[in-house]
Amino acid sequence: GEDVEQSLFLSVREGDSSVINCTYTDSSSTYLYWYKQEPGAGLQLLTYIFSNMDMKQDQRLTVLLNKKDKHLSLRIADTQTGDSAIYFCAETPGTYKYIFGTGTRLKVLA
Amino acid sequence: DAGVTQSPTHLIKTRGQHVTLRCSPISGHKSVSWYQQVLGQGPQFIFQYYEKEERGRGNFPDRFSARQFPNYSSELNVNALLLGDSALYLCASSLAGFNYGYTFGSGTRLTVV
Repeated sequence: GEDVEQSLFLSVREGDSSVINCTYTDSSSTYLYWYKQEPGAGLQLLTYIFSNMDMKQDQRLTVLLNKKDKHLSLRIADTQTGDSAIYFCAETPGTYKYIFGTGTRLKVLA
Repeated sequence: DAGVTQSPTHLIKTRGQHVTLRCSPISGHKSVSWYQQVLGQGPQFIFQYYEKEERGRGNFPDRFSARQFPNYSSELNVNALLLGDSALYLCASSLAGFNYGYTFGSGTRLTVV
């Protein structure tokens, strides 16, 4: 089936690191993505990782990919209140569509 | 630079009516995709168009249709609206394929009453 799984909620204190996890389904996905959605807004591309990579770092964001377990994670260092949002991972089976996860709501406590 | 623009931002329709949603991609982007996001869920793929041709269709009924115009803008049409069609409809564009990520618009919030 096409069920990309994420935990629903994550709460962290400001300044701590956040780790958002995702389990995807299609091992043929060439790219895997992380998007952020703030209330009432569309989706903002945060970062992506190519399937032949294990890790990608982009400023405060670190993406880890475990292809064997089909596990993707997003680490946000020094989490700020502005990081509070819903985070979606997405896989790309085939060549034209994304399959999004259920989304993880991150709440950052001051 | 203008991002992906969608219109209208909000819309209320009655069951059985028809609706047309519009999307203007980022200048130079030739690929447009449509997604439906029901409250509390992740976006679900509806259509992808590239160079005015349909390249992919998600698991949606024939009541949903779309097209892409010569200027690469796009319309999503939904006929015989059902209460379950109430959702945020997102348009996304990219230069060609999706490899470097789609840019999403802010969406059209459709409420069917």
